[in-house]
Amino acid sequence: GQQLNQSPQSMFIQEGEDVSMNCTSSSIFNTWLWYKQDPGEGPVLLIALYKAGELTSNGRLTAQFGITRKDSFLNISASIPSDVGIYFCAGQSGTASKLTFGTGTRLQVTL
Amino acid sequence: NAGVTQTPKFRVLKTGQSMTLLCAQDMNHEYMYWYRQDPGMGLRLIHYSVGEGTTAKGEVPDGYNVSRLKKQNFLLGLESAAPSQTSVYFCASRKNHGGNSYEQYFGPGTRLTVT
Repeated sequence: GQQLNQSPQSMFIQEGEDVSMNCTSSSIFNTWLWYKQDPGEGPVLLIALYKAGELTSNGRLTAQFGITRKDSFLNISASIPSDVGIYFCAGQSGTASKLTFGTGTRLQVTL
Repeated sequence: NAGVTQTPKFRVLKTGQSMTLLCAQDMNHEYMYWYRQDPGMGLRLIHYSVGEGTTAKGEVPDGYNVSRLKKQNFLLGLESAAPSQTSVYFCASRKNHGGNSYEQYFGPGTRLTVT
């Protein structure tokens, strides 16, 4: 099945640094969602995007719905240790009942 | 609201044994989903349901069956477990319509090991 391409696959950063990750697809999506998964837990929804070009923030997190509708970006500012986890993007197209998930970006934060 | 709950949290099965995973949601959501998550593979959809009494196959349905007899519950069954079904299983649910209806909400997962 189709999966979205996320990059980077993993990143190690120092506390206080800003983080950027993105998600790309060969198909157009109408909705982009960003999830975070802590170790041993289920994914938790961070941000939902519904319009091309939309920029939405949730605390230190900011996500953008790409103009082409084939990509999305997530930025985390001033990272802290609890930002550690795996970040997944997910896209929905047309009237599909299902989401297409990215392969995840694993974030490690060092003190 | 408890949101989406899953039982059991952990289970070890021997090859050939059967079991049922239970997912329950108290958000009155129409849609429910079962995923499996394996290292490096992300989330893969097994089966899903768009309403009580209906089910549909996802990306990796072989070896699994599901039932949605009540709106709030979605059951995932393994009739004859195989080592390849060792994985972490997640249930999710979402609304059918209205604003933000494509947002899926996940349970905490069931870690299954088949020996």
